[in-house]
Amino acid sequence: GAVVSQHPSWVICKSGTSVKIECRSLDFQATTMFWYRQFPKQSLMLMATSNEGSKATYEQGVEKDKFLINHASLTLSTLTVTSAHPEDSSFYICSARVWTGNSYEQYFGPGTRLTVT
Amino acid sequence: AQSVTQPDIHITVSEGASLELRCNYSYGATPYLFWYVQSPGQGLQLLLKYFSGDTLVQGIKGFEAEFKRSQSSFNLRKPSVHWSDAAEYFCAVGSYNQGGKLIFGQGTELSVKP
Repeated sequence: GAVVSQHPSWVICKSGTSVKIECRSLDFQATTMFWYRQFPKQSLMLMATSNEGSKATYEQGVEKDKFLINHASLTLSTLTVTSAHPEDSSFYICSARVWTGNSYEQYFGPGTRLTVT
Repeated sequence: AQSVTQPDIHITVSEGASLELRCNYSYGATPYLFWYVQSPGQGLQLLLKYFSGDTLVQGIKGFEAEFKRSQSSFNLRKPSVHWSDAAEYFCAVGSYNQGGKLIFGQGTELSVKP
């Protein structure tokens, strides 16, 4: 149980275009999902918290108009990178938060590698 | 400020040798502590977690970690490393008060020599 998928796993897009990444919880519902960005050989940086039915909460320094997050259902959150530029190339990872009864845990998707040319 | 420090960026051990990966944290609230493993180009897999109770926790793949409040540490150990353990390891801290948001350490890359 507690599987999170991401689609696509790998995408190349041209500079100036937009790309959408999907994050799905396959066998459970998640009112809260998180989006992370990871540069090569670096740690995960939290970009935003995605809440079902409400606006996402962005971390300081993350452009909300560039990284659009939509959490329209309890099993799907999407991240759209708008007007992508080469510096947006990165590994994007989502996670779904669950309450285990005595703590929060996150289940992570396999990640999406974005290359902007 | 809240932070997680993994002092070792890269560690190399021989197959069959013991392993200890260090993690220190600075966190205001009562922390949940996690260790995750990431293989190249993959997402994160939870190895183990601590939130209360016994300070020595057992995880998957033969890993264990010990929470030491006085040292603000949560070091990961394995008595005998296998070649398949080569990966990136991340320590993370979160709390109920922060809605489960995690702060990650910088990661430790583990290489295993035959």
